[in-house]
Amino acid sequence: AQRVTQPEKLLSVFKGAPVELKCNYSYSGSPELFWYVQYSRQRLQLLLRHISRESIKGFTADLNKGETSFHLKKPFAQEEDSAMYYCALGGSSNTGKLIFGQGTTLQVKP
Amino acid sequence: EADIYQTPRYLVIGTGKKITLECSQTMGHDKMYWYQQDPGMELHLIHYSYGVNSTEKGDLSSESTVSRIRTEHFPLTLESARPSHTSQYLCASGWGNYEQYFGPGTRLTVT
Repeated sequence: AQRVTQPEKLLSVFKGAPVELKCNYSYSGSPELFWYVQYSRQRLQLLLRHISRESIKGFTADLNKGETSFHLKKPFAQEEDSAMYYCALGGSSNTGKLIFGQGTTLQVKP
Repeated sequence: EADIYQTPRYLVIGTGKKITLECSQTMGHDKMYWYQQDPGMELHLIHYSYGVNSTEKGDLSSESTVSRIRTEHFPLTLESARPSHTSQYLCASGWGNYEQYFGPGTRLTVT
């Protein structure tokens, strides 16, 4: 069964510290993975996707098929990074459907 | 400006009432989606549509129904609201490859 697991409900770090938001997935085919972010009082929006291998707002994520993981990383957290982060899995035919993880709240303290 | 709109943003309604949550997009997307999300929890897909006159139920069973008569419009209806329907409802749209654009959401409270 397709599943996305984000083991941490809350991650609290100090400004300037490294951040790693964990995401593990279960999928038998070739997955497409995404990170979505929701800042306070804003809409859910796409942060990055694994196929583009880009860095957005200093965040990167590498797909590790061996460990079935897609962890989100940033070397130096900023207070404006505080938000809810969702890992999402696509891959079933061309429906465009996504399966979301439970979400992790990132709190960056000054 | 291309965007995705949801109305109302907040709705408090009594048990047994019929409600329709509106979702419209001006982005030209063929696919549209409805998610249900309790505060701080994961999103659950309840309905999706590939295009006009095409609707499918999502992974989470829902008593709501949807229609897609026009490309840009994807309303969700609850025939008889119950307190268990209290939640946030997010509408999204996209093209084929999974990038979805979300509306601001409707927060529904059924008393």
